[in-house]
Formats: sequence, structure tokens, C-alpha cells
Amino acid sequence: DIVLTQSPDSLAVSLGERATINCKSSQSLLSSSNSKDYLAWYQHKPGQPPKLLIHWASTRESGVPDRFSGSGSGTDFSLTISSLQAEDVAVYYCQQYYSTPFTFGQGTKLEIK
Amino acid sequence: QVQLQESGPGLVKPAETLSLTCTVSGGSVSSGYYYWSWIRQPPGKGLEWIGYIYYSGITKYNPSLKSRVTIAVEMSKNQFSLKLSSVTAADTAVYHCARVRTGGDVFDFWGQGTLVTVSS
Repeated sequence: DIVLTQSPDSLAVSLGERATINCKSSQSLLSSSNSKDYLAWYQHKPGQPPKLLIHWASTRESGVPDRFSGSGSGTDFSLTISSLQAEDVAVYYCQQYYSTPFTFGQGTKLEIK
Repeated sequence: QVQLQESGPGLVKPAETLSLTCTVSGGSVSSGYYYWSWIRQPPGKGLEWIGYIYYSGITKYNPSLKSRVTIAVEMSKNQFSLKLSSVTAADTAVYHCARVRTGGDVFDFWGQGTLVTVSS
């Protein structure tokens, strides 16, 4: 199974500041056939279903604010929130869909400082 | 907008079978563009993919659970289901159903999740 390790486990950032969450894969998620990275990011708020934010490592899902961006390739990826808003408090997960079983990172809890 | 809603018993006895149903609205389980999946999250732990089904009945399961899992689709009711046999306390979790895009297997819509506790 592909193991995804997120860092940090928790993060406190001031409103309006930048937040960055990292995700490291135990093997490359870059496909040689289409040059795409098979990594997604999700936001999970208490009492709500998880929400897809980013797929193909850097493609924002429709309706997701542009303060959310994904970057990276191969084994190292990041999710950045450029200017933290109060509604961004949540747990964030990365997920690989390069191969089954699909796996998730352990999650990063983002809070307001 | 697609919505998914899990339903089923919140308490299951050890060694019995956990059974959950996911009802889909705003979309069709018979669409060829999606798989339909189950994911769970034990208390205080991360997300674990259980498996998915395509409208044709093709299934794919997590090898860690494969011997105990059955996912089925009921197109006439626009539902799909999960059965997990021989449960133990380790199967206590919030169970989510979700839609999976084909051609890029991301979970684009999720249900709220339902807590299933395994206890006598």
C-alpha cells in the first residue's frame, strides 16, 4: 500500500496569514503515461461531509476559493491557503489514487492562532 | 447537486454482520461516469477506503477487508449497500458513502457519515 504522511499533525495560523500543509508519499504518484500526479486534497469540517478541494495535485475543484492551491509532484506535495479565513478551520487530508487500495494521509488539524 | 445519505443500525454485536445503505439523490447510480464507494474512520484515526462498485456490478475492495466485505448496487432504488461480516470492536467507525469519478478516482461527493459501534 502507498503510505501518505502529512506534516504537521496540527497547525495554528493567524487570520489573513498563509497556511501550508505537506504530504509525502512512500512512492511516486506521477504517471508516466499522462504526466499527472494522482493526488487529491480534502477539507473536513465537524458535522459536515468531507469536501474535495484539489485533484491532480494542483487542479482546484469548481467553486473552491482561489486562496486554496496545491503544488508538488512525484512524492512531495503541499496544500497552501494564501490568506486564512475563519471558515477554513478544519482537518485537511491528502489522498492518493495512483493505485488501489486508495489511501489517505493521517490528517492535519488547522486552527486559528 | 448530488447528495448521499447513509442509513442503518448504529449498534452491531460482535461476530455479526454490519449492513448499511447509501441513498443517492440528484444523481444516478446507473451513471457510467462514477463508481460508488464506502470509506470509514475509526474514532481518533484516519480515513480507510473500504471499496467501490460500478453500476455494472464490478467491485474493487481493500485487500485488508476483502474477505469480509460485500458492496452491492440497487439501481431501482438508486442505492448501494455495504455488508461487513464477522465484525469486532476494531470495526467501530464512522462510515461514509461517496461518489468516485472514473478517469481520476477522487471522491467528489460524500455522505455525512454514520457511526456504527460494535459492542455486545
